[in-house]
Amino acid sequence: GAVVSQHPSRVICKSGTSVKIECRSLDFQATTMFWYRQFPKQSLMLMATSNEGSKATYEQGVEKDKFLINHASLTLSTLTVTSAHPEDSSFYICSARALAGVNGGELFFGEGSRLTVL
Amino acid sequence: EDKVVQSPLSLVVHEGDTVTLNCSYEVTNFRSLLWYKQEKKAPTFLFMLTSSGIEKKSGRLSSILDKKELFSILNITATQTGDSAIYLCAVSLRSGGSNYKLTFGKGTLLTVNP
Repeated sequence: GAVVSQHPSRVICKSGTSVKIECRSLDFQATTMFWYRQFPKQSLMLMATSNEGSKATYEQGVEKDKFLINHASLTLSTLTVTSAHPEDSSFYICSARALAGVNGGELFFGEGSRLTVL
Repeated sequence: EDKVVQSPLSLVVHEGDTVTLNCSYEVTNFRSLLWYKQEKKAPTFLFMLTSSGIEKKSGRLSSILDKKELFSILNITATQTGDSAIYLCAVSLRSGGSNYKLTFGKGTLLTVNP
């Protein structure tokens, strides 16, 4: 099956620093990638939709200047948490949508990145 | 506001039991309903349902969608301890052009005891 790689899987940083998380589709081209956030024992909350070559679409309540998303190629999207604070500590998961007609257009998830801000 | 509601939120059973997990939804621009299993990390895909009344099966798991009543069930027969996980239901919605996004329910935490 299609593979989505997310890196790093775990990161610990000091308050005020910026952290970049990468999401790569390894064996397919992904025109659209999605970024989710998951708090402990809660479900995945969609943060933004990232389209290759264009600006990301953010969900209501998500600060676009805080969570910078770049989708520079058909296989790579990045999420940068800028000036991270302890309340940004969470599990961030990306998913990539294969092109229509490939695997039914279903989404494939990365392994997630656990961010801890001290 | 789009809503996906799963029940029960948690369930504890013994090995060999059969369980039924429920997912109801109230959304605009419905495209499909998906079930995922989440253990320690990212969700793994189980089923995608787009048509009513057609059961999808994979081993001991099966699922069906009722688009008239706006719900889906996920059945697991002869449960095993390895089935212990959070089961997530998500509804795929059209979101501008050819894009679509998933709205997730809160999940059902299934614990299967030996």
